[in-house]
This record gives sequence, C-alpha cells and structure tokens, in this order.
Amino acid sequence: NAGVTQTPKFQVLKTGQSMTLQCAQDMNHEYMSWYRQDPGMGLRLIHYSVGAGITDQGEVPNGYNVSRSTTEDFPLRLLSAAPSQTSVYFCASSYKQGPSYEQYFGPGTRLTVT
Amino acid sequence: ILNVEQSPQSLHVQEGDSTNFTCSFPSSNFYALHWYRWETAKSPEALFVMTLNGDEKKKGRISATLNTKEGYSYLYIKGSQPEDSATYLCASSTSGTYKYIFGTGTRLKVLA
Repeated sequence: NAGVTQTPKFQVLKTGQSMTLQCAQDMNHEYMSWYRQDPGMGLRLIHYSVGAGITDQGEVPNGYNVSRSTTEDFPLRLLSAAPSQTSVYFCASSYKQGPSYEQYFGPGTRLTVT
Repeated sequence: ILNVEQSPQSLHVQEGDSTNFTCSFPSSNFYALHWYRWETAKSPEALFVMTLNGDEKKKGRISATLNTKEGYSYLYIKGSQPEDSATYLCASSTSGTYKYIFGTGTRLKVLA
C-alpha cells in the first residue's frame, strides 16, 4: 500500500492564481481531511469528508473547495490564491477503530503564494 | 471551537533522562484524545488513541494517561534516546465528531 499520497510536494503560486492539491489513499478509508500547518499554530482542519459525495467544513474553510467523487481521492482547490494561504498542507485519511478514528497523514504540500 | 494547549512548547533533555509533557483540553463533551509523533520533514504518526477516563496506553518506552474529568493527558518518555527527538502533538475531538482540534505541539530534543 502507498498509504496517503499528495502531489505536488512544493508549489509556488502568484496571488489570484488557482490550483488543486491532490490527495489519494489506497486503504479504502471512509474519512479524509485536509489540514494546514502554520508556524506557531497547530494543524487546523480546512475541510473533511465522511464518505464519497459527502463533505463538510472544518475550522478554516474560506478560500478552499473540496469534492469527494471517489473513496480514494480528495482534492483541495484554491480558487484565488492569497499570500495568507502560504502554508504546509496535509491530507489525512482514517477509519473508525473502536470508538475513535485512526488517522494517517500524507507527506504534505508546501505552498508559497507571492 | 475547542482550545487544546500543550506544554512545554519545547524541551531539551539528556539521553537517558525521563520526561513528560501535558496536553490540556476542554472536558465538556469530550470524545477522544490522540497523541502523534512528528519528525522533521515527515508527516505525523499516530501514537495513541484514548477515550476513557483513566485510560493508560504504552508503546515501548512511551506511555500516556488520560483524565477526562479535569481535561488533561500526560505523555511520558522513559530513558529518552536521540531518536525520540520529534514534535509530539495531541488532538481532541468532541461528541464522536470527526473534527479534531490540534495543540501546537511539544518539541523534544534529546541530546546524546
């Protein structure tokens, strides 16, 4: 199993450009989520999905869109990039183990918006 | 929105020392508490999931306890080794939701 994969690893965008960060998992996990990690702050949840066709907002959803057409893929779209979106983005997938969820993280995408 | 706090922010210990960190979280509507180990240039890896008050988990030299009534969890490392150097994150969720709130982590450096 490849686990959780993310592409690209690095990206530089100009303000106003759009792009899609890709995330895929091959573990047949129901749940997937996107986080951003900024210096001095914990991982913050952007959007999450509890299954194909079902998505919901996390703590910091503004400026981002997601969709979940398949169990495997959960792309994150930046509609019009802003410098405030410079961050490291992590995708995670998880399954329910007992009463809670075991999360597996991808390697991250480092995004710089100039 | 939950507020999850971790202390200390960073810690330097000598090889062989034992150490512990704290994760504080709001106790109302608590559901689960996760600990992760995050090495530089890698992604977070799950250490423990705890849900019940009084839970204790152990993996090798690392163990964790949970007090849901007062809203804290301790992570202990016995006989620290240089390979234990990493950031240790905790995350809490409420009422069975999938939304986790992460703390900012404790950065541990073990000096040989």
